[in-house]
Amino acid sequence: ETGVTQTPRHLVMGMTNKKSLKCEQHLGHNAMYWYKQSAKKPLELMFVYNFKEQTENNSVPSRFSPECPNSSHLFLHLHTLQPEDSALYLCASSQDPYQREGYHEQYFGPGTRLTVT
Amino acid sequence: KQEVTQIPAALSVPEGENLVLNCSFTDSAIYNLQWFRQDPGKGLTSLLLIQSSQREQTSGRLNASLDKSSGRSTLYIAASQPGDSATYLCAVGQSNFGNEKLTFGTGTRLTIIP
Repeated sequence: ETGVTQTPRHLVMGMTNKKSLKCEQHLGHNAMYWYKQSAKKPLELMFVYNFKEQTENNSVPSRFSPECPNSSHLFLHLHTLQPEDSALYLCASSQDPYQREGYHEQYFGPGTRLTVT
Repeated sequence: KQEVTQIPAALSVPEGENLVLNCSFTDSAIYNLQWFRQDPGKGLTSLLLIQSSQREQTSGRLNASLDKSSGRSTLYIAASQPGDSATYLCAVGQSNFGNEKLTFGTGTRLTIIP
């Protein structure tokens, strides 16, 4: 596997379910990101992890719980979601964003299409 | 708060034509600007990244320019092909207490007519 992979690609869940989204990057990057893409809206940054530490939480409701066990894996745990949480959830990775002279391009996975019923 | 606008929201052009997509941003204190392509229901593919110190970047038939002072970027696509049909997203990168943050526009949905 190369690049950034995400599983599952599609997920349908009820409002009382608990599920998890998984992201894995094979690029040797140190930073990982979760984004939400809703219809007709720009991509919204949800969380940033750098060297496994959460460095950004963009006012995301607690029903979304991220986990980053190592620099290559990122999870998004979901529980008691609302229908408005239905969206495409994208994971991305990049090199260490603290490196001012570095190359900061973010590489994205294919996304998980989430439908909350 | 940074805001990124892309106009037009949708564009249809005949195959073979050259075209320009526009992106504007409100805060010129950016780190870089990135153009992405997104196919329906898919993730993002990075096309070009322009660092704040650069004026343009080229890759094949694509050329992106950046005018930081006026808060504008353009993506020029030469000799368009049906395979270029996709949504094109512009994103500006800024530093926020050491974190790299991308702010996205809502995109331009491009359709190339064979």
